[in-house]
Amino acid sequence: QKEVEQNSGPLSVPEGAIASLNCTYSDRGSQSFFWYRQYSGKSPELIMFIYSNGDKEDGRFTAQLNKASQYVSLLIRDSQPSDSATYLCAAVYNFNKFYFGSGTKLNVKP
Amino acid sequence: EAGVAQSPRYKIIEKRQSVAFWCNPISGHATLYWYQQILGQGPKLLIQFQNNGVVDDSQLPKDRFSAERLKGVDSTLKIQPAKLEDSAVYLCASSLARGGIGTQYFGPGTRLLVL
Repeated sequence: QKEVEQNSGPLSVPEGAIASLNCTYSDRGSQSFFWYRQYSGKSPELIMFIYSNGDKEDGRFTAQLNKASQYVSLLIRDSQPSDSATYLCAAVYNFNKFYFGSGTKLNVKP
Repeated sequence: EAGVAQSPRYKIIEKRQSVAFWCNPISGHATLYWYQQILGQGPKLLIQFQNNGVVDDSQLPKDRFSAERLKGVDSTLKIQPAKLEDSAVYLCASSLARGGIGTQYFGPGTRLLVL
């Protein structure tokens, strides 16, 4: 069974701080990992993806992957109130099959 | 580039009725997905198409749910008869990937309420 686990939160951080969102996955066969942001009542939108061990940066976002520990994280620097949303982690397997976690709710306090 | 289109955006039906959802993927995207997202949960894959063939429908409740993708473009998802527990958002997504890894882009979703 391919499971993706996320802490449901809410994770509360003050404006300007670094938010750290974590995700673990059960099946080592995953080829890549995606982070999506979902505002309340809206559909998921892509933030970034990672498939190699290490860090990948895109603006204020950094994705980190540790395949040995089966662990993925997303760091958001200089968090803004507009970053308040639910963050979904997805592990991708053969034939582009996505398995989503239940999401972590982030609250950024002004 | 136009995004993934879905209709209707909202639907309220009574249990045991039938309902159908429509999705038009991004032009040229070979892979199309239907997800069910229950409040507070992540999207759960119902069915995945590659062109007009089914790649995975292992989590589709086939006694009541059906889906098709005509000519490898538009797709419809049908529920017949609906149950209370089918109340959820039904998301359609598409991807350019043809076997490799490809980003999924989601439509706005259809919010279904079964009374």
